[in-house]
This record gives sequence, C-alpha cells and structure tokens, in this order.
Amino acid sequence: SQQGEEDPQALSIQEGENATMNCSYKTSINNLQWYRQNSGRGLVHLILIRSNEREKHSGRLRVTLDTSKKSSSLLITASRAADTASYFCATGNQAGTALIFGKGTTLSVSS
Amino acid sequence: NAGVMQNPRHLVRRRGQEARLRCSPMKGHSHVYWYRQLPEEGLKFMVYLQKENIIDESGMPKERFSAEFPKEGPSILRIQQVVRGDSAAYFCASSSQESSYNSPLHFGNGTRLTVT
Repeated sequence: SQQGEEDPQALSIQEGENATMNCSYKTSINNLQWYRQNSGRGLVHLILIRSNEREKHSGRLRVTLDTSKKSSSLLITASRAADTASYFCATGNQAGTALIFGKGTTLSVSS
Repeated sequence: NAGVMQNPRHLVRRRGQEARLRCSPMKGHSHVYWYRQLPEEGLKFMVYLQKENIIDESGMPKERFSAEFPKEGPSILRIQQVVRGDSAAYFCASSSQESSYNSPLHFGNGTRLTVT
C-alpha cells in the first residue's frame, strides 16, 4: 500500500509562478524525500528532510515537514518550463528497508 | 563517475518468454533496489538486495519473478513466462546505505518491457 500520497495529482501553471505540491503519509518516519521524474527517465533525488527538521531549502525548492499532521509540502518558486515533470514524495517502509513512493504530482509549466 | 546503468532500455518479449533486466549500481554502492512503474502510476517497490543477499522481497510477485545481486557483476531481475500484465517500466536504484535512513536513491533510466 502507498505510504505517501501527493496532492494535487496534476498542476498546470505559467512560467514565473510558484508551484506547491503536498504529500501526506501514514506512519512515523525517519525522513521524507522528494524526487523528480522527467518523462521517460529515472527519478532524480531533490531533497531530504529529517523528522526533526521543519523546513529545508535548496535553490528554488523549499520543503516543509509537519510530523504532527503527517504531511510535507514542496514549493518551487519562479517556475520554469524545465520544471515540467512528475514529483514524488517517499518515506521508509515499516521494515525500514526501502523507500515507498506516492503516485506523484504531474507539473506542467507553460511559457 | 557513471551513474546507475540499466540495460536494455527497451525489451520486447512474447508471452511465455523470459525477460532478463540488468542493473549496474553506482560505483561504491552495495544496496540495490528494483521498482516497477505502470503508466500514470507511481513506483512500486519490488525487492531490495545487498551483495549476494536478498534483504526484502516483500514487493515481488511470488511466482515467475526472481532477483539476484552476485558478488561480481550486475544485479539481475528475471521474469519467467512473461504475461501482458508484466509490461511496465522497471527501475533499478542504488544507495550507499539503506535508503530509508538519510540516504538518497540514485536511479537508472529504466528498462521498458513490452510483452506482446
């Protein structure tokens, strides 16, 4: 079963706008990770936030984590056409042996 | 420094044939994971291996599927007697330690299996 669920499933914005994607999960976590997947390619790791962190930045990316609500958000500021991709959150499975991914948010950025 | 290498990129098999998917992890990585992705879906965990050991195969179908990561050579995902429902993209990922503990996964570009 899915550990993380992203919301919305799809998002369309104009270049320069901000994009916010949300992720909810079910069980306690050590960390939460976000990945991007361009069409026809493998996933690329974007950012990892630990359970004792509330916010983390990397370039135009900002990730927040609220363990009390079991949710995380990924904000992409000043989006570009090249940000068009699917974005996935991932957390460890209950055995702690692997990452489990949500179904993703498909982001389309038009110029 | 080469990333995770998967081959072939595309594989076409007729129903009943065998499919062998190969994955060479990043240099220095001893943890390998296999995932399956159906169109418009997320990745489904299949199996986690370390050198010569299967650590977690809870996501692997009980029949027809097997995986190995020998001491020498790439990791292999083997699907025997393929059926149309096996058509999917299969991704391999590697890490320097267990992925759920502060270690990102590095993915290959996948093998797209089509069963005709």
